[in-house]
Amino acid sequence: GAGVSQSPSNKVTEKGKDVELRCDPISGHTALYWYRQSLGQGLEFLIYFQGNSAPDKSGLPSDRFSAERTGGSVSTLTIQRTQQEDSAVYLCASSFQRGGRSTDTQYFGPGTRLTVL
Amino acid sequence: KQEVTQIPAALSVPEGENLVLNCSFTDSAIYNLQWFRQDPGKGLTSLLLIQSSQREQTSGRLNASLDKSSGRSTLYIAASQPGDSATYLCAVMDSSYKLIFGSGTRLLVRP
Repeated sequence: GAGVSQSPSNKVTEKGKDVELRCDPISGHTALYWYRQSLGQGLEFLIYFQGNSAPDKSGLPSDRFSAERTGGSVSTLTIQRTQQEDSAVYLCASSFQRGGRSTDTQYFGPGTRLTVL
Repeated sequence: KQEVTQIPAALSVPEGENLVLNCSFTDSAIYNLQWFRQDPGKGLTSLLLIQSSQREQTSGRLNASLDKSSGRSTLYIAASQPGDSATYLCAVMDSSYKLIFGSGTRLLVRP
């Protein structure tokens, strides 16, 4: 079946511009996560959505970062006024949610490589 | 604050060898531990998930163990093949349902 998909696969932008990254989770997965992978920091959690609960935004590095999930499916991560230190691979994952919180396997998309010039 | 450490950072072995990758974590209050594989330029592929109440999981030539009380997990790869070459990442789900990742072990299996 279809896995997690992300678009675009690559994005090059100029410092100060806004970017939007998209994630389509696996059908039926109600938990969705965003992570960032950079050379200096490894893989770090950004935000997750669990069903109808309020999202956990505790990993967002600054108020320039925001994410939304429309209709409980597709999610968009927006970075405003991009900076060079935002350059990284942004990974999305989804998992099946049983009950209140998901502790199931997380399935990752291929990522979006963001380069800020 | 949960910290995850993976040793070694890199490993090169000849084909056919059995090998062990190590992962340690500082806080035993975890929901689960997951092992992933990442190929260059690609996303993560889930290999094994061990819930906190479990001791080990097996899939084909892979076996992962979990000792929550000592904060350790090992990934055992039997009869390694060149196709096993990749970066292996360990991650624990902490008490707030976030995955905390180690920095990975880069594995090269030489033909």
